Amino acid sequence: GDSVTQMEGPVTLSEEAFLTINCTYTATGYPSLFWYVQYPGEGLQLLLKATKADDKGSNKGFEATYRKETTSFHLEKGSVQVSDSAVYFCALGTQGGSEKLVFGKGTKLTVNP
Amino acid sequence: GAGVSQSPSNKVTEKGKDVELRCDPISGHTALYWYRQSLGQGLEFLIYFQGNSAPDKSGLPSDRFSAERTGGSVSTLTIQRTQQEDSAVYLCASSLSITSYEQYFGPGTRLTVT
Repeated sequence: GDSVTQMEGPVTLSEEAFLTINCTYTATGYPSLFWYVQYPGEGLQLLLKATKADDKGSNKGFEATYRKETTSFHLEKGSVQVSDSAVYFCALGTQGGSEKLVFGKGTKLTVNP
Repeated sequence: GAGVSQSPSNKVTEKGKDVELRCDPISGHTALYWYRQSLGQGLEFLIYFQGNSAPDKSGLPSDRFSAERTGGSVSTLTIQRTQQEDSAVYLCASSLSITSYEQYFGPGTRLTVT
């Protein structure tokens, strides 16, 4: 079945460091891909999305490119801030839409000043 | 505007009791989803509704779990004869439609079965 594998954390970085969180997926058909973020004490929020191969999603300085050839959707940010400390979830939406989201296990990021 | 709301925020119950969890989606959103977040399993899909119908119940872990949605709005997730393995955070999300890509999540209900 469909699945998402993302790098396990926790990840600890200093402010202004470069961030990469790896995400790969297995899916039939052509899924949509998402990164969700959960800040401490808050609910899940959509960070960015890509709906077809080679699309790049971006938001708040974060980027991820839908790579069909490597079945990957790695999250990157050039310079992290303390406020980026959160848990990040990679997810895929089945059947081309978002009837059901399949999530990775999450990666906890801590950014120190 | 108001986001997705869930109640109660926390629920502690004894093993064997029934519980009802409630979700109020964003007004006008036709699609509603239930997920479960637990330490061992991560985030799991349970069920989704398009309007009042539930085309996909494949994620419900057992027949002790059921959900309904009335009037295309509020949904309740019911767990009968709760077990300790049911302890988790139950998340509700809604979206404009099942093809609108973005799901908006509520804060969740933390269920603890003792």
